[in-house]
Amino acid sequence: KQEVTQIPAALSVPEGENLVLNCSFTDSAIYNLQWFRQDPGKGLTSLLLIQSSQREQTSGRLNASLDKSSGRSTLYIAASQPGDSATYLCAVFSGGYNKLIFGAGTRLAVHP
Amino acid sequence: NAGVTQTPKFRVLKTGQSMTLLCAQDMNHEYMYWYRQDPGMGLRLIHYSVGEGTTAKGEVPDGYNVSRLKKQNFLLGLESAAPSQTSVYFCASSPTGADYGYTFGSGTRLTVV
Repeated sequence: KQEVTQIPAALSVPEGENLVLNCSFTDSAIYNLQWFRQDPGKGLTSLLLIQSSQREQTSGRLNASLDKSSGRSTLYIAASQPGDSATYLCAVFSGGYNKLIFGAGTRLAVHP
Repeated sequence: NAGVTQTPKFRVLKTGQSMTLLCAQDMNHEYMYWYRQDPGMGLRLIHYSVGEGTTAKGEVPDGYNVSRLKKQNFLLGLESAAPSQTSVYFCASSPTGADYGYTFGSGTRLTVV
């Protein structure tokens, strides 16, 4: 059974710091991994999608890496800003399940 | 460019009442999904559909029914609402399951009293 774990559960940092959010999954047979952002009371916004054949994806200040063999992904946020405050969710799409399986998320607070 | 639209956005039901949540997508996506999100539980899949006229059970299907009569719409029904169904419900769609990412709606906040 595929399980997705995100560490840490919560993170508070001062503005300007570079930070790393971690995601691990138990079954390495995945098709892709997706990082989402969720603002309080809002829906999910897709940030980055990494196919199983890729090692990383970048979008602006965000960089996500994928290591299938070790069952890990990291989301790197450079030069954090208060506007980055949100919950970040990692989800994997596994063969045979036809669905995204989510981690519980990391709640990020960036203070001025 | 609407993407995925969910209606209603908020609803309060009494125990035993029924209701239908509507999800509509205008991206011609084949796959559609209903998730519920609860504090400390993350998002859990209720039902999903891989094309018009198809439906399948997810992790937590009990107490819910779905229909996909038209490709662009995916309906989630609660026949007899229970307080345990108080949650935020999200609909999502994707072109196929594996090769593309998911697009989510903004959610429906349901309270059953």
